[in-house]
Parts: sequence; structure tokens; C-alpha cells
Amino acid sequence: AAGVIQSPRHLIKEKRETATLKCYPIPRHDTVYWYQQGPGQDPQFLISFYEKMQSDKGSIPDRFSAQQFSDYHSELNMSSLELGDSALYFCASSLTYDSREQFFGPGTRLTVL
Amino acid sequence: AQTVTQSQPEMSVQEAETVTLSCTYDTSESDYYLFWYKQPPSRQMILVIRQEAYKQQNATENRFSVNFQKAAKSFSLKISDSQLGDAAMYFCAYRSQNTGTASKLTFGTGTRLQVTL
Repeated sequence: AAGVIQSPRHLIKEKRETATLKCYPIPRHDTVYWYQQGPGQDPQFLISFYEKMQSDKGSIPDRFSAQQFSDYHSELNMSSLELGDSALYFCASSLTYDSREQFFGPGTRLTVL
Repeated sequence: AQTVTQSQPEMSVQEAETVTLSCTYDTSESDYYLFWYKQPPSRQMILVIRQEAYKQQNATENRFSVNFQKAAKSFSLKISDSQLGDAAMYFCAYRSQNTGTASKLTFGTGTRLQVTL
């Protein structure tokens, strides 16, 4: 069965650089979620999209922006990177916004040097 | 806002034995979902089991079962016949239902389970 695809799987950036993380949901899923998991921490919700519109927002820094495109894939853009942005970034998708289950991708590990 | 608490940072169990991981949560909502996720060293988030708050019957998935106590806001995970492959970080998570939005998962801080021979 198809799963959530995230790219790249690993990313190394310098401070103050920009990074773009991509998420391709499971086919026919119209809802995407982004989570950030710092070292030794639990995942923290950043933002979600349903039918290409922002649906819910968590503790996402102003330096980050995200969108969902017409093919339902989503991109998380991160600017002016800081050392503290080093984390595992998960994307999850669900069939629709009120579906019970979210299916997680493998994550993108971002390291900021 | 909802909160999820896992009071056991680490647990250890011998192979083939049974272990119970604790989770409590705080909410004023009546409709919600509860989940247990497993995160092995690969860091992949794997759904272990889920429970709908409106269901009184405790969920069971093979060797995994939950004890859901809605009034006490408690949601523990029991792993029977523990296997080496069960060693991982386990997260308890809460999700609101019927919000009209793509609502988030709120996670606890996790319990690291070690399985010994």
C-alpha cells in the first residue's frame, strides 16, 4: 500500500539559510499535517491543511510558512534557520479532515549547523 | 487546551512477560480519540492501537490492549508476551473529534520501553 512520502529524508543547512521540505500524501488523501520533533521530545503540531486551505495552526514560527498544492502535496518552507530548528519533521495525511487516523511519513531530519 | 501525561519515562520488561504503560489526559471535551504510537530507533511513527471515547469496550490488537477509563481520564497500554521488537519509545496521543477542522494530535512525553532476555 502506498504511504506518505517525504523528501528529502535528510537535510543539512547552515544558520540563516532556507530549507524546503516536501510531503506527498497517500493518494486520495486531501488533508496534510506537519509536526516537529526535537531531540528527545514528543512531536509538536505545526500546521494542517484541508483541500488546499490552512485548517489548524499550532506553534509554528513566523519564519516558517507552508502550503498545500492542487495535487494535495504540501511544502514547509523554513527561512532564517536557527540551531534550534534542528529536528525531525513529520508529515502525516488523512483521507479527509475529520478522519480518525493520521498516517505518518518517515520524516525529514533537518540539521542546522 | 488538552494535555497528555505519561509519568513513566522508562520501563523495562522481560521477554514473554506483560507490561503496562500509563497515560492520563485532561480535556473538557466529550468526543475524542486516543492513540498509542510506537517509535522504534528508525524514528518512524507507527500506530499501535486506537480508542474512540464513545466506545466503552476497550480496544485490542493482537498482543496490545488498552484499559480506557473515561471518567478517570486514563488510557493505559498493556503489551502481552513482550518481544524484542517491542522495544521502542511509546507515545500516548489525544485528538479532538467533531471540531470542523483537521485537528492535531497532542502527544505525551513518551515512555521508553526496554525488553530484556
